[in-house]
Amino acid sequence: SQQGEEDPQALSIQEGENATMNCSYKTSINNLQWYRQNSGRGLVHLILIRSNEREKHSGRLRVTLDTSKKSSSLLITASRAADTASYFCAIYGGTASKLTFGTGTRLQVTL
Amino acid sequence: DAGITQSPRHKVTETGTPVTLRCHQTENHRYMYWYRQDPGHGLRLIHYSYGVKDTDKGEVSDGYSVSRSKTEDFLLTLESATSSQTSVYFCAISESTGTDTQYFGPGTRLTVL
Repeated sequence: SQQGEEDPQALSIQEGENATMNCSYKTSINNLQWYRQNSGRGLVHLILIRSNEREKHSGRLRVTLDTSKKSSSLLITASRAADTASYFCAIYGGTASKLTFGTGTRLQVTL
Repeated sequence: DAGITQSPRHKVTETGTPVTLRCHQTENHRYMYWYRQDPGHGLRLIHYSYGVKDTDKGEVSDGYSVSRSKTEDFLLTLESATSSQTSVYFCAISESTGTDTQYFGPGTRLTVL
């Protein structure tokens, strides 16, 4: 399967703490994307990182990519209750030539 | 939601009946996708379209058909609904495939009794 696999499946932290979630995959990739899904809503794109990039930032988000280990991580700094959501990695590459989503990490940020 | 609407938002139907879900976009994006989301499976691609009248299958296309007669509309039809097709269905659009961001609609919750 070309599906990315997120780890952990669920994460509970307190407001102000950092949250780190990881994505591993098995094929070569063109790019890897992270999406957020609030309960009952559609997915929202967060960051796209290309295979020749190692790190990208967007506000409180930091994404790293290690193609040698076939893994990526999403770091959310200074978490807020509004960050409570499911986070999905999606990979583009391999033979599918389509974006393939993982099963997600459920993040709960408590006050 | 980036100019994407889905209708209906909720539907309850009976096994064996045909069902059509509609996705409408106002962004003039070339690519449109239908996914289903189920617990433990994440999002799985059903069908996608790369232009008017140009469609292709995804990984879970059995029991589904699609049509795209206009750039802005992408229809998903369940030819004879089964209980295994109870799911949340999302439409997405992108300017290009894979190398670009996908924008998602709000979803349609379908229950097949």
